[in-house]
Amino acid sequence: EVQLVESGGGLVKPGGSLRLSCAASGFTLSSYSMNWVRQAPGKGLEWVSSISSSSRYIYYADSVRGRFTISRDNANNSLYLQMNSLRAEDTAVYYCARDHAYWGRGTLVTVSS
Amino acid sequence: EIVLTQSPDFQSVTPKEKVTITCRASQSINNNLHWYQQKPGQSPKLLIKYASQSISGVPSRFSGSGSGTDFTLTINSLEVEDAATYYCHQSSSLPWTFGQGTKVEIK
Repeated sequence: EVQLVESGGGLVKPGGSLRLSCAASGFTLSSYSMNWVRQAPGKGLEWVSSISSSSRYIYYADSVRGRFTISRDNANNSLYLQMNSLRAEDTAVYYCARDHAYWGRGTLVTVSS
Repeated sequence: EIVLTQSPDFQSVTPKEKVTITCRASQSINNNLHWYQQKPGQSPKLLIKYASQSISGVPSRFSGSGSGTDFTLTINSLEVEDAATYYCHQSSSLPWTFGQGTKVEIK
């Protein structure tokens, strides 16, 4: 069974940093591109970043480019999102997604002083 | 970026009524369109993939149609448990984009 479990969310002050992790199981991570999607409280879904299976191709939403870094460790079945210079508008539930079919349950990031 | 526009934004429906939600793409996405249901506090649940393909475990009252730029999600004979927000999503090209959501309320 495919499972994606996010962790690392929490409360952080504006300007701070946080690193999200996504533990993948039930499939061969190295065969798939992976994605982060977020959802601000009471708002819709927003794609954040994607990384190809070998990490060769990486893409970011304009809203996070230069502040967030996506990475992966295929040997340890893990996906990461390093978030720096956090802003209040980054407050959201962050989902790890393999593709349209498999999403995690999300981890909440709150940026507030 | 491909923009997805859903309509309506909100719908109040009585049980057993038929619900139709549309999703229009700003350019052709072939059939790379998926529908999700999201209830408060939960992650999105896939209802329909590739415009019209059913998902195991999803009730048969949910169906999808369309191709190119115009897509429809239909809920036949709405049940109380279907109260949720519904999103369309395109995976045709990056960046992934989503419709703004349609909230379905039970009268």
